[in-house]
Amino acid sequence: DSGVTQTPKHLITATGQRVTLRCSPRSGDLSVYWYQQSLDQGLQFLIQYYNGEERAKGNILERFSAQQFPDLHSELNLSSLELGDSALYFCASSPPPGQPYGYTFGSGTRLTVV
Amino acid sequence: AQRVTQPEKLLSVFKGAPVELKCNYSYSGSPELFWYVQYSRQRLQLLLRHISRESIKGFTADLNKGETSFHLKKPFAQEEDSAMYYCASFCFSGGSNYKLTFGKGTLLTVNP
Repeated sequence: DSGVTQTPKHLITATGQRVTLRCSPRSGDLSVYWYQQSLDQGLQFLIQYYNGEERAKGNILERFSAQQFPDLHSELNLSSLELGDSALYFCASSPPPGQPYGYTFGSGTRLTVV
Repeated sequence: AQRVTQPEKLLSVFKGAPVELKCNYSYSGSPELFWYVQYSRQRLQLLLRHISRESIKGFTADLNKGETSFHLKKPFAQEEDSAMYYCASFCFSGGSNYKLTFGKGTLLTVNP
């Protein structure tokens, strides 16, 4: 167990639907990062939150949104789903500056859009 | 902007052969570099960080600032080394913000 918890592990849904992926960071970590991993695009950075605030945005579609709550868990919302959104979605967390750094990844949520 | 390049998408070697996974970075400052490994679409796991100068599972990686490279090497590949390997560069991007930038990954297959 890496300390980063992602739920659900698997999700199958239909096109046009909306889903929410959840991530609980490792204890003490303030930053949460979301990545999308697909066969053709590799590992794509989506968005980063630090202590509740959005800090960086990557290749995140407008149909996608995220937030980080006061307890530091984060949710990634995917709406108007398309077949191409099928991918593994990883969450990672990292400690505050000044502490030994490095990302710790969760086990991912495998999203299948049918 | 920092960029990490892994020129080989696929790499196939035989068991017992040496293996080198290439990684080049572009960053104007002093980068911190990592190698992550992902087995069979599981979560990414930290394999090496250059600052530690360690050897994990027989793998080593040396930072070459002149060539801006951080290649991952192992003298004798094992079948269980078959996995996806990602090189990553870490840098501060202002204030309390820092980010890890990943290369596109190299899929290593070690054949019996």
